Amino acid sequence: NAGVMQNPRHLVRRRGQEARLRCSPMKGHSHVYWYRQLPEEGLKFMVYLQKENIIDESGMPKERFSAEFPKEGPSILRIQQVVRGDSAAYFCASSPGGLSSYEQYFGPGTRLTVT
Amino acid sequence: QKEVEQDPGPLSVPEGAIVSLNCTYSNSAFQYFMWYRQYSRKGPELLMYTYSSGNKEDGRFTAQVDKSSKYISLFIRDSQPSDSATYLCAPGTDSSYKLIFGSGTRLLVRP
Repeated sequence: NAGVMQNPRHLVRRRGQEARLRCSPMKGHSHVYWYRQLPEEGLKFMVYLQKENIIDESGMPKERFSAEFPKEGPSILRIQQVVRGDSAAYFCASSPGGLSSYEQYFGPGTRLTVT
Repeated sequence: QKEVEQDPGPLSVPEGAIVSLNCTYSNSAFQYFMWYRQYSRKGPELLMYTYSSGNKEDGRFTAQVDKSSKYISLFIRDSQPSDSATYLCAPGTDSSYKLIFGSGTRLLVRP
């Protein structure tokens, strides 16, 4: 009964490179959420997706960040032209949807370091 | 003012103590109140949640919401060293499923 899976667990990128973070939701879950945790800060919502749809991206920076959740395969959070300020832990959560959408189960996170 | 405030701690208690962890919030539209536990360098783990006001009990944990004072509490009875972690409250509204996290309270239970 696998939980939310994220990979890679650690990612090092030089400034200007692209980062791709992947998230596979729990079995039976069709809703995915991405959150970012900066050092010494709380988790901040970034985006909420269902299969092939972005439902709420109010927390996504306007530039360089994008997310998708295709019909097949994992959800991807993509950061183009990374900068040092993008260094953080990125967590993905999933929920079953419907009335249980607030029950969000988190993955282990991807720790992005930009050098 | 932040939407959700938590005392960062650390809160240090002896094993077996009753622990009280608290949050205050400003948005009266919050209806869901989640508590997560996060061990160092791990993902948050959903502990329990309540909808609207009232209490909910699960084993050694009790969650309490007082909407009139916008105050959320998590009580841990018979605390164990394995409870040492950061505890995050995270309310949400009916209209949006994004959770608004507090910055967390670090708890240390001494053997």
